[in-house]
Amino acid sequence: DAGVTQSPTHLIKTRGQQVTLRCSPKSGHDTVSWYQQALGQGPQFIFQYYEEEERQRGNFPDRFSGHQFPNYSSELNVNALLLGDSALYLCASSSLIGGEAYNEQFFGPGTRLTVL
Amino acid sequence: AQSVTQLGSHVSVSEGALVLLRCNYSSSVPPYLFWYVQYPNQGLQLLLKYTSAATLVKGINGFEAEFKKSETSFHLTKPSAHMSDAAEYFCAVTPNTNAGKSTFGDGTTLTVKP
Repeated sequence: DAGVTQSPTHLIKTRGQQVTLRCSPKSGHDTVSWYQQALGQGPQFIFQYYEEEERQRGNFPDRFSGHQFPNYSSELNVNALLLGDSALYLCASSSLIGGEAYNEQFFGPGTRLTVL
Repeated sequence: AQSVTQLGSHVSVSEGALVLLRCNYSSSVPPYLFWYVQYPNQGLQLLLKYTSAATLVKGINGFEAEFKKSETSFHLTKPSAHMSDAAEYFCAVTPNTNAGKSTFGDGTTLTVKP
């Protein structure tokens, strides 16, 4: 089991550009959550996808959007990048339909986004 | 609504000494509580979790935590610190209906002195 995987590992963009981050959940998981972790802070919940729909959303602007595919993998898109979007973006997978993974989530290694 | 407060952004202990990292939470629904560890440039690794079973929870690497509802606390302890324990530690609260929507504290950096 490869666990949660994310790509790319690192990314450098300039202000105003758009970026897409990718996540593959742990085998058996159907739910993907995205978090933003700014330097020196705890992760902040962006949104969660289940059954290819956004189910929950944190306090992030519409510039942040996502998608979930039939194989449960997910993308995070950020438009019109700002310097403040520089952060580690973490993907976590879990299961909303029960099973041993029902009450916890597993995190990927993250994508480090730098906006210049 | 949920929130987490981690008291002390930096904790320093000597190798072999007791580790105590403090976490207080608030939650409008019965919570699940988690402690994660993060090493530099890595993701989060689960140390232990409370999911309404035993209030004293044992995790990996000798860590344990006790859920105290009356104090709304979930402090992390380890009897004897090791150099490899130096890392960032995060406490998180999650509604018991959705493991995927966690609220994290700001983290505590643990330094272990030889």
